[in-house]
Amino acid sequence: QTVVTQEPSFSVSPGGTVTLTCGLSSGSVSTSYYPSWYQQTPGQAPRTLIYSTNTRSSGVPDRFSGSILGNKAALTITGAQADDESDYYCVLYMGSGIHVVFGGGTKLTVL
Amino acid sequence: EVQLVESGGGLVQPGGSLRLSCAASGFTFSSYWMSWVRQAPGKGLEWVANIKQDGSEKYYVDSVKGRFTISRDNAKNSLYLQMNSLRAEDTAVYYCARYRRPLRAFDIWGQGTMVTVSS
Repeated sequence: QTVVTQEPSFSVSPGGTVTLTCGLSSGSVSTSYYPSWYQQTPGQAPRTLIYSTNTRSSGVPDRFSGSILGNKAALTITGAQADDESDYYCVLYMGSGIHVVFGGGTKLTVL
Repeated sequence: EVQLVESGGGLVQPGGSLRLSCAASGFTFSSYWMSWVRQAPGKGLEWVANIKQDGSEKYYVDSVKGRFTISRDNAKNSLYLQMNSLRAEDTAVYYCARYRRPLRAFDIWGQGTMVTVSS
């Protein structure tokens, strides 16, 4: 069974830039997987950031961007702020039967 | 305001049943696929089930097939998850989410309802 992989943790300095990635245990991620990204702070519901690889959801600031980098989907945060400290999850579309699979999430620390 | 509000969570014994509900408002509920997503304590998010606008297509993660049933009542703007034969590993916060099928993404989330399976 294919697993969606993410870095377990990452840290960034305030004002810095960080790129989180979303890969597959077998194979490459492309736009055909419709990668999407979600932010979740402890005790809160997820918030949709990016869908269809690089389209920002309504109200999401433009310092969040999505792309394909090499064989992975990527979420880049430029000018990181303290309230960006959250868990970030990617989702990949796996086909009409399985539908979607979440990655394990990346815990981002801003310090 | 677009909103999803879950209810029905609680404590249930292993082998028991529970029915979750999700009330939608602020959008045309009958025009969208809907989903349930869960999160076990301290763990990541896991997609559970999807249902098409008219209920004619339903999909489940393997671990709940045959035990959980997703359904909807468009007249009541409501989504449901009937959970039977519950196991300890089903303990989680269950989120209702709007699924944008053309985009293969969730765009609106409820606040979640906690389900605890324990004796």
